[in-house]
Amino acid sequence: AAGVIQSPRHLIKEKRETATLKCYPISRHDTVYWYQQGPGQDPQFLISFYEKMQSDKGSIPDRFSAQQFSDYHSELNMSSLELGDSALYFCASSLTSEQFFGPGTRLTVL
Amino acid sequence: QKEVEQNSGPLSVPEGAIASLNCTYSDRVSQSFFWYRQYSGKSPELIMSIYSNGDKEDGRFTAQLNKASQYVSLLIRDSQPSDSATYLCAVSPYSGYSTLTFGKGTMLLVSP
Repeated sequence: AAGVIQSPRHLIKEKRETATLKCYPISRHDTVYWYQQGPGQDPQFLISFYEKMQSDKGSIPDRFSAQQFSDYHSELNMSSLELGDSALYFCASSLTSEQFFGPGTRLTVL
Repeated sequence: QKEVEQNSGPLSVPEGAIASLNCTYSDRVSQSFFWYRQYSGKSPELIMSIYSNGDKEDGRFTAQLNKASQYVSLLIRDSQPSDSATYLCAVSPYSGYSTLTFGKGTMLLVSP
């Protein structure tokens, strides 16, 4: 079975630009989570969606927003990018309690 | 502040040995516990989940949970060099879908 798909895999942006990350969950999974992982850090929870509704919110900056669409894919929109936003961004999906992670998007802000 | 604590390591073991990874958590009501393996620059890969006190075995991996002591561990038998990675302990307060709180991970190095 296909796993979680994320695009793009790599993204380079300038400061103050915007970025959109996309996540396609495993088929039939109804919950999507977004995590940010800085170098040498553990994944930090940003936001989650269940059945297209926001279900939980973590340490997501106000400059970031996200949504889940009718086909269950999700997008993380990041505006006014800062150098500190450079990180790996993972999307995970679940049908039960087990979360399965996508390959991640490596965002570099110059 | 809910915390998940792990020894950062590195934990070095010879090939064929048993590797023992430990994790403690602060939120007493935690219900679900997971071990993820993460290779450098890659995404976390779920290797074990455990919900009840006791042991759960899957191949070379055994997860152990002691809710009274707020302690969860992962044993890797017959360690292989390919097991060298960072192992992340993750905890959730619910048995259903819920956000995960991760520990900072323990780096395991298995030498041939």
